[in-house]
Order: sequence, then C-alpha cells, then structure tokens
Amino acid sequence: DTEVTQTPKHLVMGMTNKKSLKCEQHMGHRAMYWYKQKAKKPPELMFVYSYEKLSINESVPSRFSPECPNSSLLNLHLHALQPEDSALYLCASSSPQGTYFGPGTRLTVT
Amino acid sequence: RKEVEQDPGPFNVPEGATVAFNCTYSNSASQSFFWYRQDCRKEPKLLMSVYSSGNEDGRFTAQLNRASQYISLLIRDSKLSDSATYLCAVTPMYSGGGADGLTFGKGTHLIIQP
Repeated sequence: DTEVTQTPKHLVMGMTNKKSLKCEQHMGHRAMYWYKQKAKKPPELMFVYSYEKLSINESVPSRFSPECPNSSLLNLHLHALQPEDSALYLCASSSPQGTYFGPGTRLTVT
Repeated sequence: RKEVEQDPGPFNVPEGATVAFNCTYSNSASQSFFWYRQDCRKEPKLLMSVYSSGNEDGRFTAQLNRASQYISLLIRDSKLSDSATYLCAVTPMYSGGGADGLTFGKGTHLIIQP
C-alpha cells in the first residue's frame, strides 16, 4: 500500500484567514514533504521532514508554517496568504523505492 | 537547485507506436532517478525508478546514461490511456527522495491518438 491521504481536497480562503492542510501516511516512511504545484508547472519542493525534524525549508515565506506532530502526520498551517499562493499543495512521503504523493489540496486564495 | 530539462512536447503519437522521451540533468552528484506520470489535475504517480543497468516494466523501459547525464523512457505499443504528462525527477541521495527531496523536470505532454 503506497497511500498518502490529504485533507481537504479543496480549500478557498481569504487573505486574512488561517487554515491548515493535513497529510497522513501509514507506510512507516520517515521522510515527508510538502510540494507546491502551479498550473502547467512541475511540483516544487517547499519543506522536507526527516525523522519528524524539519531538515529543508526551500526559502518558503513564513506565512506557510509546517508541523510534524508524529511520524505519520504532516500539517501545513496557512496564514495571511496572497492570491499568488493559489496552487495545488502536494504532500509526499518516501522510501528507498521512491516518493509517493497524496492527491493534493487545491487551494484558492481570494 | 540544479536544473532538470525535458522537451515539453506535446508528442502526438498514433496508438500502437513506440515513443521515447529524454531528460537531462545538470547536477553530476545526482544519484537517484525516477519517472512519474501525471494526469490532468491529479497528483504525480511513480511510474519507474531508473537504475544504472536500465530497467523494464511491461511496455515501459527506462535507461540511465551517467556519462551524458540523461535518463530516458521508452513506451512500446502505446495505448490511449498512456496519454498524460511524464515528469522526470532526480535527487542527490541514494534514496527515494531522501533528505533532499526531488527536483522535477517541466514534464513532457504525451497525446496518444486513435
């Protein structure tokens, strides 16, 4: 089973809202990621968690705040986003065999 | 992050034909290589890892050329359902994404025509 789940599937939020994206995997993978994908572009890495510790932050603005409560869960807290932050946000986890993506949260910032 | 380059296409190919894509990478430290398939408005799905010796999975064959720094994907007997965007991805680590995450190419759009 290579399933990564994400909630919600769709999210519309205003620029003053605070919301959170959630991700879960039960494959025992110790590396988890957040990627951002704009239309007709490839996924771009945002954050890497390795053994529940943040190991890479790809110069992501502080309005995005990741959290890894345990080895199965990954959250992305959103606050004061801009319209250009509208995108598909993909969570992923990896084993030596590869990286497996969740279905994503399609975020629209109004 | 170093670049990964792909021809964006679209590749318009008749059903049953063989089609091949290449992907070049500029970071010679890259160690792990993958092909992903992405359908419209869906997440990328891992198609194949690419090994130094090359590997085959049914109609799909992946090759790695370290000297020239490219990977390739060959699809034989193409089906209508193969229509998708094919993304190559690399990472510096010997892992499935490891501590460094994946760097993707822009993807090649494939359209299989009946």
